[in-house]
Formats: sequence, structure tokens, C-alpha cells
Amino acid sequence: DADVTQTPRNRITKTGKRIMLECSQTKGHDRMYWYRQDPGLGLQLIYYSFDVKDINKGEISDGYSVSRQAQAKFSLSLESAIPNQTALYFCATQNDPKGTQYFGPGTRLLVL
Amino acid sequence: RKEVEQDPGPFNVPEGATVAFNCTYSNSASQSFFWYRQDCRKEPKLLMSVYSSGNEDGRFTAQLNRASQYISLLIRDSKLSDSATYLCVVNAGSARQLTFGSGTQLTVLP
Repeated sequence: DADVTQTPRNRITKTGKRIMLECSQTKGHDRMYWYRQDPGLGLQLIYYSFDVKDINKGEISDGYSVSRQAQAKFSLSLESAIPNQTALYFCATQNDPKGTQYFGPGTRLLVL
Repeated sequence: RKEVEQDPGPFNVPEGATVAFNCTYSNSASQSFFWYRQDCRKEPKLLMSVYSSGNEDGRFTAQLNRASQYISLLIRDSKLSDSATYLCVVNAGSARQLTFGSGTQLTVLP
């Protein structure tokens, strides 16, 4: 079984709808991240969490919110989706600040 | 200036060729450096960490030049399976986040 899972894997929604993307991990890592990836722009950090009570904004947090329900779960919400939020979204975990990050398989989101 | 800059490519090379990718970073306080590989429409995966003295893993060699704030990846004897996008990744900033370059696309041709 995969160590970092994301649901759904693909989602089509309409402008103005609320949508939640979920991430779960079995690696036991405290640090979790949400990124979006657009063609040619690389990965951009949306939010990150160092433990259940620690949530931080990344470079592009506007229009997004997160919830860290447990060490193993970190959810990303789009309160009112807009078309320019169409992207590939990745969740990642990390064991220590100098270490590598482990990514989930991604959620492909299309906002019409 | 972007924090991590890479030549986007694409690099199209024949099988068996040697290819080198370069990356520059802007934050001199950066402490950790990595190369990730990303296959089309898949998640990034760690290829190798980059150490100050340089390091090698089979056909892959990574180098770090802190003075010039420059990282490189050399791939020898390219295989078709090496075709992917290679991401330069740097750990920097006050919260020590990983900053990703936008990637260099490699296609190895038969």
C-alpha cells in the first residue's frame, strides 16, 4: 500500500463550488504539505503543517484553507472554486526539516 | 529572480549519451539540496540528495558549488527510461521549506 494517499485522484467541479481534497499518510511524519503544479511553473506551496496544532500559509494560500485532523491526515479545501485553480495538487510528508519529502500520487482538479 | 532556476529544456539526447543539468539558487543560507525526478503526470520522487563533496549513484553524479550557488546533475550512458523531468530542489528560507525549480525535461531517443 502507498505511504501517502490522496483522494480523489481526479475531480471536475464548477465555479463557486466547495471542494475538499484529502491526504493521508502512514509514514508517521509530523510535517505535511500541500502544493499545486501548473505546466511550466513547477511546484508552488499552498499550506504546510508541522504538527496538528501548527498550520502555516505558503506562497499561494489565497482561496484555499486546510485542516489537520490528525497526524496522518491533512485536507485542503477550496471554499469557492474558480477556473484558475485548475491544476495538479500534491500532498507531501517530511520527517525532518532537512530531509526529503514524499509525495502522494496527486489530484487532478478541473474547475469549469 | 526565482529562488531556484533551471534550464527548462527540453533536452533530447540519443541513448548512451551523457547529459548534464544545471541549477542555480539564490538563498545563500540554503542547507539541503536534492534532485527529484518526475515522470509525466506523476508525483515527484527523490532521485538523490546532493552533498557538499559531490556524490554518485550509479550513472548519476551530483555536484554542489556553494560559492557559486550552483548544483549540477550528470547522467552517463542515458537510458530510454531516464526520460522524465528533473527537478532541482533546495531547502531554504526561515521555515526551511523546500523550494522546487520548474524542472528540466529530458527525452532519451532510441
